[in-house]
Amino acid sequence: DAMVIQNPRYQVTQFGKPVTLSCSQTLNHNVMYWYQQKSSQAPKLLFHYYDKDFNNEADTPDNFQSRRPNTSFCFLDIRSPGLGDAAMYLCATSTGPSGANVLTFGAGSRLTVL
Amino acid sequence: GQNIDQPTEMTATEGAIVQINCTYQTSGFNGLFWYQQHAGEAPTFLSYNVLDGLEEKGRFSSFLSRSKGYSYLLLKELQMKDSASYLCAAMDSNYQLIWGAGTKLIIKP
Repeated sequence: DAMVIQNPRYQVTQFGKPVTLSCSQTLNHNVMYWYQQKSSQAPKLLFHYYDKDFNNEADTPDNFQSRRPNTSFCFLDIRSPGLGDAAMYLCATSTGPSGANVLTFGAGSRLTVL
Repeated sequence: GQNIDQPTEMTATEGAIVQINCTYQTSGFNGLFWYQQHAGEAPTFLSYNVLDGLEEKGRFSSFLSRSKGYSYLLLKELQMKDSASYLCAAMDSNYQLIWGAGTKLIIKP
């Protein structure tokens, strides 16, 4: 089945120790997104790629970076995680900017910072 | 500014009907989405409305009034597995999604 796969599902790191989260998709979608979601809060868009065109949200901290080496893969790098970065990180894909732009999400990577 | 409002939590009884409301303010409008999110899991798509009126899909229906900036999700014949958070998201003129914080629906036997 076509899908969005995130690894790892659970990541525990120490304060300040870099973390990389990965996302792969078999949907051949043009757009890939990274969201941060904290408990009982709305998903917060960090980045999105339309093909290789990188879009950084204005309020995404510099501590977060992203790479999309090819259509199928996308990575989220957290350079120096702080306690406030503990959250669920969701990768999503879509076909592109249009009205019925349905997002398909991966299962998420839950980050714990000790 | 752009904003989505929906109730934080609702409780309903198994077999009953529940309506989850959502109001939105966006710069332009390209549609209204509802997603279901079970605890600790990713959101899954439920419905999309861009024209006024009711869209029915099995036990779930979604309504939109663009003039009022208002939508609701109607869940019928509630089942225990419907216990989840329901996220409302509006798409603005730049095709960016503005998300609500979700409504946690608790189903009691």
